[in-house]
Amino acid sequence: DQQVKQNSPSLSVQEGRISILNCDYTNSMFDYFLWYKKYPAEGPTFLISISSIKDKNEDGRFTVFLNKSAKHLSLHIVPSQPGDSAVYFCAASASGTNAGKSTFGDGTTLTVKP
Amino acid sequence: DVKVTQSSRYLVKRTGEKVFLECVQDMDHENMFWYRQDPGLGLRLIYFSYDVKMKEKGDIPEGYSVSREKKERFSLILESASTNQTSMYLCASSLRGQGLNYEQYFGPGTRLTVT
Repeated sequence: DQQVKQNSPSLSVQEGRISILNCDYTNSMFDYFLWYKKYPAEGPTFLISISSIKDKNEDGRFTVFLNKSAKHLSLHIVPSQPGDSAVYFCAASASGTNAGKSTFGDGTTLTVKP
Repeated sequence: DVKVTQSSRYLVKRTGEKVFLECVQDMDHENMFWYRQDPGLGLRLIYFSYDVKMKEKGDIPEGYSVSREKKERFSLILESASTNQTSMYLCASSLRGQGLNYEQYFGPGTRLTVT
């Protein structure tokens, strides 16, 4: 049973437009969500996170939206740049005794065309 | 900056060999993790350690063991390598709070090929 799902394996957008990456989760115990970016031949790097007490978190061109009732989050990149081309992983964590571990989605490969 | 280093970027081993993958972090993080990444399967947690000599199984621990004798070092051991363990292995570390979560910092990965 996959608890964190990224249903789009790939996404292609034009430079300057908005990129929207989606993530769904099933475990209602998850209360902290993170996005990571991964370039080829490198490890993932942390991008942005959101706690379940919020529904939006913004950091420069990156905004994460959380819809708890739908168990859905999305990452918006505006404007998209060619350097944003990478694999994006959504991850979810639960507080309390299980804190520290994250469950990752399968990733979405974003291609931003110049 | 947090630095997580892994002993090898590329490794080729034969079936049945014992394989050691080493990971070192320099930020005094309590938590350390080993994942494997396979196409279409994302990052799957193999083992997790929240303190020296402490470990927890992740989602796919079969065929692997780990060792954490020092806080900064977390080793992944393949007791008898098999071809289905050919993969990208990623080590990560993070702070450990009181029931809180923090972002993980990843090493560059080790591409292991078992022939």
